Amino acid sequence: NAGVTQTPKFQVLKTGQSMTLQCAQDMNHEYMSWYRQDPGMGLRLIHYSVGAGITDQGEVPNGYNVSRSTTEDFPLRLLSAAPSQTSVYFCASSYWWNTEAFFGQGTRLTVV
Amino acid sequence: GQQLNQSPQSMFIQEGEDVSMNCTSSSIFNTWLWYKQDPGEGPVLLIALYKAGELTSNGRLTAQFGITRKDSFLNISASIPSDVGIYFCAGPGAGNQFYFGTGTSLTVIP
Repeated sequence: NAGVTQTPKFQVLKTGQSMTLQCAQDMNHEYMSWYRQDPGMGLRLIHYSVGAGITDQGEVPNGYNVSRSTTEDFPLRLLSAAPSQTSVYFCASSYWWNTEAFFGQGTRLTVV
Repeated sequence: GQQLNQSPQSMFIQEGEDVSMNCTSSSIFNTWLWYKQDPGEGPVLLIALYKAGELTSNGRLTAQFGITRKDSFLNISASIPSDVGIYFCAGPGAGNQFYFGTGTSLTVIP
């Protein structure tokens, strides 16, 4: 049982480059979300989805796009990377928005 | 967004000591969750609380849902080296969003 799978684990980007962080879950969860983790700031919600075809913004959405074409997949896109987006990114899924969240192992992104 | 403040921010303790940490919110929560993040991993759920005043244990961990519904507490008894990590409180806020606290980093010295 894979749970939540994130790829890649590490990534270095140059300022202005674009990339997609992949997230897949095999638990048939409706709710999926993306967080970024910065020192001393905990986990901050970027975007979330309550089901296929439905996404919404979280606390810190600027500079990121998401889509949810299937229940399983929830990719996060950086359109034009900036150094301020250097962070550790976590994807999570849960049965519903207020139930236990299962997290991926994270993607450590550095923008130079 | 909603603020969840955790204290202390970090703790350095001797193996065998008990640990207490807390989390306060600027608004009322109906659920409190406590997660632990091991180094290099994603957070994993430790304890869930659903009712004001509720006290729940999971092995050496005990968590309480504050009566005001604006705070929660986590205690770890007889700490061991594998307790090292970052502990987060979390709760569902407005608009289908889940909020996490700023985290308490725990170091256990053997």
